[in-house]
Amino acid sequence: QKEVEQDPGPLSVPEGAIVSLNCTYSNSAFQYFMWYRQYSRKGPELLMYTYSSGNKEDGRFTAQVDKSSKYISLFIRDSQPSDSATYLCAMSSSPGAGSYQLTFGKGTKLSVIP
Amino acid sequence: DVKVTQSSRYLVKRTGEKVFLECVQDMDHENMFWYRQDPGLGLRLIYFSYDVKMKEKGDIPEGYSVSREKKERFSLILESASTNQTSMYLCASSSGDFGNTIYFGEGSWLTVV
Repeated sequence: QKEVEQDPGPLSVPEGAIVSLNCTYSNSAFQYFMWYRQYSRKGPELLMYTYSSGNKEDGRFTAQVDKSSKYISLFIRDSQPSDSATYLCAMSSSPGAGSYQLTFGKGTKLSVIP
Repeated sequence: DVKVTQSSRYLVKRTGEKVFLECVQDMDHENMFWYRQDPGLGLRLIYFSYDVKMKEKGDIPEGYSVSREKKERFSLILESASTNQTSMYLCASSSGDFGNTIYFGEGSWLTVV
């Protein structure tokens, strides 16, 4: 079983829709959860960062972590064509020696159609 | 804002050539990373470094080496480029503090012919 599973899509939605992107993971030691957005032919940029369980909201974006289910989500409200990108989840265990590495999902490609 | 700069965005090299990919970060980060990204395979860690002159192998180090002579600079070296090393290469850096968030460069697209 892979450590992090993410549906690759592609996912196409109409402008204004609510988008739900998800990742599941198997390593119960993960405590730090991130979402990266990657536009075509660009490097990933950090979008959201959460620690442990719970929700975090930033504008139209909400990150949700359910550690009991080993499941994280990113919700995008009122989606815009500029949200069209690949979204990668990433996670890591507690800080300390040897924990610098993040484990990434393979990314979900999202297209928001005007 | 953190800036990670990869000096070459697009390169075309011949099989057998030695290739250098350079990366510079401006945030005094201790940790630096080199990934490659391929369709269907996602991001794969090649090497990382947690201090000057220190390096650790990642998941796919074969055919690559790295150099970190200064804190801000991390170089990826393909000793003898092969066609299966055609890929997008991403450099990243992090402070190693709370959260381990890392910041990526724009990427270097390498084609080996």
